Amino acid sequence: SQTIHQWPATLVQPVGSPLSLECTVEGTSNPNLYWYRQAAGRGLQLLFYSVGIGQISSEVPQNLSASRPQDRQFILSSKKLLLSDSGFYLCAQTGPTNYGYTFGSGTRLTVV
Amino acid sequence: EDQVTQSPEALRLQEGESSSLNCSYTVSGLRGLFWYRQDPGKGPEFLFTLYSAGEEKEKERLKATLTKKESFLHITAPKPEDSATYLCAVRAPNKRGANNLFFGTGTRLTVIP
Repeated sequence: SQTIHQWPATLVQPVGSPLSLECTVEGTSNPNLYWYRQAAGRGLQLLFYSVGIGQISSEVPQNLSASRPQDRQFILSSKKLLLSDSGFYLCAQTGPTNYGYTFGSGTRLTVV
Repeated sequence: EDQVTQSPEALRLQEGESSSLNCSYTVSGLRGLFWYRQDPGKGPEFLFTLYSAGEEKEKERLKATLTKKESFLHITAPKPEDSATYLCAVRAPNKRGANNLFFGTGTRLTVIP
């Protein structure tokens, strides 16, 4: 089975502070991994995806970056947070073909 | 440009009152349409996958159907525990040719006892 661990569940950070959100996955080796952001009233927006260690593709220009230091670890970072970075961040991995993606439980980030 | 549009944005039903949610899409090279359920503060949970027009899938009070331009999620005799946001997503190639999921904004369903 595929399990995704995300932490923390909730985070409140001041503007200008750094960010590091971590996601680790269990199950399939060499999974495709994804970071999505869900803002209030908006759909899930794909931020980054990775097909392997050190391989990161960015879908939208932004204040965030991603890294994949290990096969089953995906990290979302920022050097200086903006108010607009607030949202619900979800990590996902490719599931069995018929499932699309399997999602983690998410991190609610509020930048104040 | 690939788009996924869901309607209505919000829907309030009395318990037992059947209805349908709509997902219309315009994508090149559809490789699956997915329905997810999302409870507040949680990640989306998989419900169905549909691949070709005319296909139908059922699970308890939910039935998903697919045409060439849209999908419907039919809810029969809903119960309060069916209250959630229902997300539609399509899998299609992105600009680099890799398959990604593109999501609609969801329908927030509230079932009143």
